[in-house]
Amino acid sequence: EIVLTQSPATLSLSPGERATLSCRASQSVSTFLAWYQQKPGQSPRLLIYDASERASGIPARFSGSGSGTDFTLTISSLEPEDFATYYCQQRGDWLLTFGGGTKVEIK
Amino acid sequence: EVHLVQSGAEVKKPGESLRISCKVSGYTFSNSWITWVRQVPGRGLEWMGRVDPYDSDTTYSPSFEGHITMSVDTSINTAYLQWRSLKASDTAIYYCARHLHWFDPWGQGTLVTVSS
Repeated sequence: EIVLTQSPATLSLSPGERATLSCRASQSVSTFLAWYQQKPGQSPRLLIYDASERASGIPARFSGSGSGTDFTLTISSLEPEDFATYYCQQRGDWLLTFGGGTKVEIK
Repeated sequence: EVHLVQSGAEVKKPGESLRISCKVSGYTFSNSWITWVRQVPGRGLEWMGRVDPYDSDTTYSPSFEGHITMSVDTSINTAYLQWRSLKASDTAIYYCARHLHWFDPWGQGTLVTVSS
């Protein structure tokens, strides 16, 4: 099983600041990695797929990078609606797995 | 527009059976897998497995294999997740999602509460 480790667990930032979230895989997943956003009481929403491609309707302030085992989700300037929990997910192996999540909270 | 609409919340006792549903619209049902994801309240996401509506082929996570069954009814564009004997530890929110390489979009979730 490929284990995805997300850091930090919680990120406390102010609106307008830059957010950098990390996802590390226990073995290479090439670029078969996605990021999802989940707000309280809502379903997750696909943000980034194939490590760096923005899903339909996702604002340009969200960007993804990385390959192999190290990945980053960057939010260039936090908007109030971006405070949420973010999960990475890999499909480099038949057994699909999620990271434990990073909560981005208002400082 | 693609929509996945799940059945409503359920309250069950340990040992009881349950089937929850996920009705899709806006695309050809047989063209994409349906994946199911569990979320214990306040916790993270766990991939349970997926079903291919084209031929009902299933792949389960080892963590759930033997305890759940995924199925589809293509006549009504609906996927199902079923338990024969629920446990208290099955209390969670269950999401279905269209699975075409990635999970997008997701249903609204079904809360299942198992308590004596």
